[in-house]
Amino acid sequence: KQEVTQIPAALSVPEGENLVLNCSFTDSAIYNLQWFRQDPGKGLTSLLLIQSSQREQTSGRLNASLDKSSGRSTLYIAASQPGDSATYLCAVRLRDSGYALNFGKGTSLLVTP
Amino acid sequence: GAVVSQHPSRVICKSGTSVKIECRSLDFQATTMFWYRQFPKKSLMLMATSNEGSKATYEQGVEKDKFLINHASLTLSTLTVTSAHPEDSSFYICSARGSTSGKGQYFGPGTRLTVL
Repeated sequence: KQEVTQIPAALSVPEGENLVLNCSFTDSAIYNLQWFRQDPGKGLTSLLLIQSSQREQTSGRLNASLDKSSGRSTLYIAASQPGDSATYLCAVRLRDSGYALNFGKGTSLLVTP
Repeated sequence: GAVVSQHPSRVICKSGTSVKIECRSLDFQATTMFWYRQFPKKSLMLMATSNEGSKATYEQGVEKDKFLINHASLTLSTLTVTSAHPEDSSFYICSARGSTSGKGQYFGPGTRLTVL
């Protein structure tokens, strides 16, 4: 069974800092990996999707990397802003699981002014 | 981008009643929809996968008679929580993918269910 772990569970940083969120997964037979943002009481917003054949994806201040062989992904946020405060979820889609996603518990990020 | 809506966004009901949650794809045809459940400070747990016009596939441990899923059209799936109990209180999120969605899913805004 795929286990997805996110570290740290919570993180507080001052505005302007660069930060890294970590995601690890136990089964490397993934189809893709996706990072989401979730604001309190809200649904999910997709940030970046990395196919299993890719090493990284970038969107604005966000960069996600994928090392499938070691079962790791990182989400790098540059020059953090208070508006980045949210919970960040990592999810993997297994090759043999159809299109369903396995989620980690998330990292709760607080960026203080 | 593709938009998925959910209705209602929040519902409070008495124990023993049934609650229906709708999930709609607004600007694309959703061949597959997924229903997830999220407990506080926990990850999203897949409950079931539904394909338009066929019976839903439930994950292990999810009672199909309690959580009725209908995917009658390419733009609408419903989740009915039957005879709801306080332990059913949770955040329910649907997602959808279409035949042209590429490799991603689009998530709804979620429904907060509170059973008194």
